[in-house]
Amino acid sequence: NAGVTQTPKFQVLKTGQSMTLQCAQDMNHNSMYWYRQDPGMGLRLIYYSASEGTTDKGEVPNGYNVSRLNKREFSLRLESAAPSQTSVYFCASSVDSDTEAFFGQGTRLTVV
Amino acid sequence: QQQVKQSPQSLIVQKGGISIINCAYENTAFDYFPWYQQFPGKGPALLIAIRPDVSEKKEGRFTISFNKSAKQFSLHIMDSQPGDSATYFCAAIVNPGYSSASKIIFGSGTRLSIRP
Repeated sequence: NAGVTQTPKFQVLKTGQSMTLQCAQDMNHNSMYWYRQDPGMGLRLIYYSASEGTTDKGEVPNGYNVSRLNKREFSLRLESAAPSQTSVYFCASSVDSDTEAFFGQGTRLTVV
Repeated sequence: QQQVKQSPQSLIVQKGGISIINCAYENTAFDYFPWYQQFPGKGPALLIAIRPDVSEKKEGRFTISFNKSAKQFSLHIMDSQPGDSATYFCAAIVNPGYSSASKIIFGSGTRLSIRP
């Protein structure tokens, strides 16, 4: 019962580098999400995918792109990393977009 | 109108005491209210959830109280233990008939510390 799996767990990037954060869920959920968590800011939605084949911007989408590869996988890409993107990133999934979400363990990203 | 306001930002409670965290919302399109518990270095985990057609839900030492008319809900942790020390987030979920880019809205979190 893996639930939501994120890779990598830690990453250090130099400013301007690109990378993709991977997320997979094995709960047959329709909806998937990417959040970032910063001290004192709570959880902020970056992008979400209500169902396979659809993606929508959340509260803070600038500097990010996403791909819903299939029902299981939802990746987040940083094309040109900036220090402001230093954060902990969480992937989550839910049965549908109006049910509670289940979170992965997070990716701690540092951009220097 | 989408915001969920959570208080306090931090809370210190003695072991055995009652921890109370409050949330308030404005949008009547919300119709499901989960609470999450997050330990350092871990992702948020679903703790307990309530729908507005009930005023209270209890699971072990954790109770949600819901006041629909006041648009407020709260988490009570009875007999608080050091192992309950974590960050707690309330959330509100928009009902299916409401069009929104973000269906799950989180509060800003409460860092709870239980002193031995």
